[in-house]
Amino acid sequence: AQSVTQLGSHVSVSEGALVLLRCNYSSSVPPYLFWYVQYPNQGLQLLLKYTSAATLVKGINGFEAEFKKSETSFHLTKPSAHMSDAAEYFCAVSDRGNQGGKLIFGQGTELSVKP
Amino acid sequence: DSGVTQTPKHLITATGQRVTLRCSPRSGDLSVYWYQQSLDQGLQFLIHYYNGEERAKGNILERFSAQQFPDLHSELNLSSLELGDSALYFCASGRRTGEGETQYFGPGTRLLVL
Repeated sequence: AQSVTQLGSHVSVSEGALVLLRCNYSSSVPPYLFWYVQYPNQGLQLLLKYTSAATLVKGINGFEAEFKKSETSFHLTKPSAHMSDAAEYFCAVSDRGNQGGKLIFGQGTELSVKP
Repeated sequence: DSGVTQTPKHLITATGQRVTLRCSPRSGDLSVYWYQQSLDQGLQFLIHYYNGEERAKGNILERFSAQQFPDLHSELNLSSLELGDSALYFCASGRRTGEGETQYFGPGTRLLVL
């Protein structure tokens, strides 16, 4: 069965600092991985996805993630945090890889950005 | 804007009541997924429909049911509501491509059971 673990339920950074949100996965099929962001009182917005085409994936709003099979990781980074990045971030894995299926989510990481 | 719409945005009701949540997927998407988000359980998959047929069930209570109509919109019916059913309910639509399937989420329906 597929699973996702997000290390750190809360991460706080200063504006302009590096953002690093950690995600480790377990998958019995070649993994399809996603990062979603949820702003307060809103739905989930797709940030980026890994579909085996390239290990370094660029997303929206300056975010990127690197797929590392040897470490079973898919960490999300952004070189310089903005106040507007404050939100909750979810890592997810597709249950049936490239065949779709339900998403299995991590518990989420709340990102705070200090001025 | 993901292109997925959900109504209503907010719903306040009493224990024992029944409610219907509606979801319209993005144009052309055949898959509709329903998820529940709560503070204690996080984001949990409920049920998946593809082109009108149920494809998979998750941790969905027997008091809950869903269907997808010929126009591809979907409804999630919650009955005999309990306080613990208070949560945010999302639907997501997906379309399979050569890169697999990506799910796009609606804004959610926030249900409060009093």
